[in-house]
Amino acid sequence: DAKTTQPPSMDCAEGRAANLPCNHSTISGNEYVYWYRQIHSQGPQYIIHGLKNNETNEMASLIITEDRKSSTLILPHATLRDTAVYYCIVRFYGNNRLAFGKGNQVVVIP
Amino acid sequence: ETGVTQTPRHLVMGMTNKKSLKCEQHLGHNAMYWYKQSAKKPLELMFVYSLEERVENNSVPSRFSPECPNSSHLFLHLHTLQPEDSALYLCASSQNSHNSPLHFGNGTRLTVT
Repeated sequence: DAKTTQPPSMDCAEGRAANLPCNHSTISGNEYVYWYRQIHSQGPQYIIHGLKNNETNEMASLIITEDRKSSTLILPHATLRDTAVYYCIVRFYGNNRLAFGKGNQVVVIP
Repeated sequence: ETGVTQTPRHLVMGMTNKKSLKCEQHLGHNAMYWYKQSAKKPLELMFVYSLEERVENNSVPSRFSPECPNSSHLFLHLHTLQPEDSALYLCASSQNSHNSPLHFGNGTRLTVT
């Protein structure tokens, strides 16, 4: 599976949109981009995934660049409960495995 | 409620003990996973079961023994563990179809003394 690069940490203002970047420059055509988050002492929580089109659900939006080499997870109105480690993962189509990196520690500040 | 339930939430065991971790999923999935999360390290995939057959074993020591009696239950049997095995053990499940997201439980925090 292709590797991803995320900032190790970032702060976001409560009530504002939080834009979380991810680089995956070696992604191949049959690899999806997944986002998970992990709040302290809990299991990872699935957020969203996509291939090449932008995706939106009740939690977030996923914007994937046209060349698919990077993506941005958008939390539209960050709350204190969104403080977590966010993982951007590239997963091969049909692959059972999900390989986690170190993630991005996001802190929402009042 | 995540749909994936792990018990116990916390476990302390000595190096000579035998214990088991249990995972149950209520999502109708047919693939299940064990992950290990040590302090300051990324999640490591340990085992994958698909349709109740083990399809992946990532060089895990034999002191960890998984069991999947049916598609809803997964166990991790532990014996003669070492202190460095102390970690958060996470269970996940998914549909055994392309591109199905994994859904995780909240883990068992294991301490080996």
